[in-house]
Amino acid sequence: EVQLVQSGAEVKKPGESLKISCKGSGYTFTSHWIGWVRQRPGKGLEWMGIIYPSDSDTRYSPSFQGHVTISADKSISTAYLQWISLKASDTAIYYCARTAPGTGSLPFEHWGQGTLVTVSS
Amino acid sequence: DIQMTQSPSSLSASVGDRVTITCRASQGISNFLAWYQQKPGKVPKLLIYATSTLQSGVPSRFSGSGSGTDFTLTISSLQPEDVATYYCQSYYDPLWAFGQGTKVEIK
Repeated sequence: EVQLVQSGAEVKKPGESLKISCKGSGYTFTSHWIGWVRQRPGKGLEWMGIIYPSDSDTRYSPSFQGHVTISADKSISTAYLQWISLKASDTAIYYCARTAPGTGSLPFEHWGQGTLVTVSS
Repeated sequence: DIQMTQSPSSLSASVGDRVTITCRASQGISNFLAWYQQKPGKVPKLLIYATSTLQSGVPSRFSGSGSGTDFTLTISSLQPEDVATYYCQSYYDPLWAFGQGTKVEIK
């Protein structure tokens, strides 16, 4: 069974750094892209970026480029989303998601449970 | 970057009604269009990909159509369990983006 298990909720202050994780299991971690999606409270889904763990090829939405860093450690089947300096506007649920099987561009078939990040002074 | 515009933003329909949601892409994305369903407090779920291919386990009352820039999600007979917000998504590399969502309620 494919599973994506994300790290727990975080409460941070503005200006602090943070790295959240997404551990994949039940499939070959290096064979599927993993993406990150933001959902602010009461708002819609926002596509942030995606990484191919096999070679760490990474793509970012222009809206998030330079504000977050996506990485992966294939030795432990884990993808990461990182901030150097959080803002209150980063308060949201962050989902990781794995693409469907196949080649080329693919939709997100499996999703993590979400990580709630709260940034408040 | 690409913009995905859904309409309407919300709708209210009766059980058994036919419901249609549209999604327009600001650039052509061929058929690289997916639809997701998100129920309140839950994780999004893939319903349809490649514009019209139903994900395994999704009821046949859901269907998708379109190509290029204009796409449609149809629920042929709305059921109470379909109450959710629906999102379209372009996954045409590098034009990835979600629509703003359409909230579906029962009248």
